[in-house]
Amino acid sequence: KAGVTQTPRYLIKTRGQQVTLSCSPISGHRSVSWYQQTPGQGLQFLFEYFSETQRNKGNFPGRFSGRQFSNSRSEMNVSTLELGDSALYLCASSLGQGLNTDTQYFGPGTRLTVL
Amino acid sequence: AQSVTQPDIHITVSEGASLELRCNYSYGATPYLFWYVQSPGQGLQLLLKYFSGDTLVQGIKGFEAEFKRSQSSFNLRKPSVHWSDAAEYFCAVGDKIIFGKGTRLHILP
Repeated sequence: KAGVTQTPRYLIKTRGQQVTLSCSPISGHRSVSWYQQTPGQGLQFLFEYFSETQRNKGNFPGRFSGRQFSNSRSEMNVSTLELGDSALYLCASSLGQGLNTDTQYFGPGTRLTVL
Repeated sequence: AQSVTQPDIHITVSEGASLELRCNYSYGATPYLFWYVQSPGQGLQLLLKYFSGDTLVQGIKGFEAEFKRSQSSFNLRKPSVHWSDAAEYFCAVGDKIIFGKGTRLHILP
């Protein structure tokens, strides 16, 4: 069974641009969560999607958004990029919804650099 | 406000020795608690989690953690570490999953 895949793996953008990252969960998994990891802020939870609906959200500004498609694939979008958005963006999938569920499986991440 | 403190930035132990990584949290109710591990080869993995019930939680790779409400702690333990356990470990709390800053574990041969 294939693991969680994230595309692209590396991305370079300039300030003010927008970016879309993609996450394909493990087959059969219906929940996708997104995380940001930076040297300064560490790991932070962005949001969780289940059955195409956002079920949980961390403390990020509205420039960060996401969606989930009927095949459980998810995208996250960051508009008006800032230098501080440079980070490793991790996606995780699980079978069920919410935190009290089965194990999460993480993808390798997308490394975003904002110049 | 929810918060997590991992007091040790780095810890070094000898292979075969026991391990305890500390985690203290601040949370208003019975917390959701997690431990994650991140290594270059394996990426980020969920080691174990606590929601309710038995305060001693078993995880993958031989790790366990104990929830102590009176001490607001959720320390991670392993009886005997292996060189492959060298990684960064993150404790997290709450429904918004607030992460600690991490503890980097080094293993001496």
